[in-house]
Amino acid sequence: GAGVSQSPRYKVTKRGQDVALRCDPISGHVSLYWYRQALGQGPEFLTYFNYEAQQDKSGLPNDRFSAERPEGSISTLTIQRTEQRDSAMYRCASSTQGHANTGELFFGEGSRLTVL
Amino acid sequence: GENVEQHPSTLSVQEGDSAVIKCTYSDSASNYFPWYKQELGKGPQLIIDIRSNVGEKKDQRIAVTLNKTAKHFSLHITETQPEDSAVYFCAAFYYGQNFVFGPGTRLSVLP
Repeated sequence: GAGVSQSPRYKVTKRGQDVALRCDPISGHVSLYWYRQALGQGPEFLTYFNYEAQQDKSGLPNDRFSAERPEGSISTLTIQRTEQRDSAMYRCASSTQGHANTGELFFGEGSRLTVL
Repeated sequence: GENVEQHPSTLSVQEGDSAVIKCTYSDSASNYFPWYKQELGKGPQLIIDIRSNVGEKKDQRIAVTLNKTAKHFSLHITETQPEDSAVYFCAAFYYGQNFVFGPGTRLSVLP
């Protein structure tokens, strides 16, 4: 399809394991954002990229969280040594415009992470 | 940093009535205010937005108003229909600050 694609859609892991969440943005979109959304809450900013450059990672909760977008397209959000509090919906969004210009965010359907 | 509050958290209206959702923001530098609709099991989708150089924008049954002095903006939905039932999020943005979303409003349109 032409939308933002995220995988896996559902991930159940044991505490202490590492997980990698993948985002494939809309082709040609410059900006890519990662958000975390708890049940009943609004999306909470984690990090964002312009092309391959990580412009802002101020929302990453701690150093167990990292993200990359090496070729300016697909991005991976990695959580090391997962904890139960990491359980949430992780959403990726992309935008056709660079961060200097506001533009519509196109969200994926999310990856729901459950840490047991 | 920016903080966005949103009220009410839940809203029930009869089909055909109007619905109003209000948001306030804290950072006067914010200059772009989108509204997103999130249906069950899906990602948020932009339905309307407004920039700080206008006070009101309308698109068919939905409209958004902005009061920069008071730092609040509102979503108005007229002639509500069952398919309007969803969670609605407001957000505030300016260059150098990422999109900050409100906590959401669950709208239920009763037949």
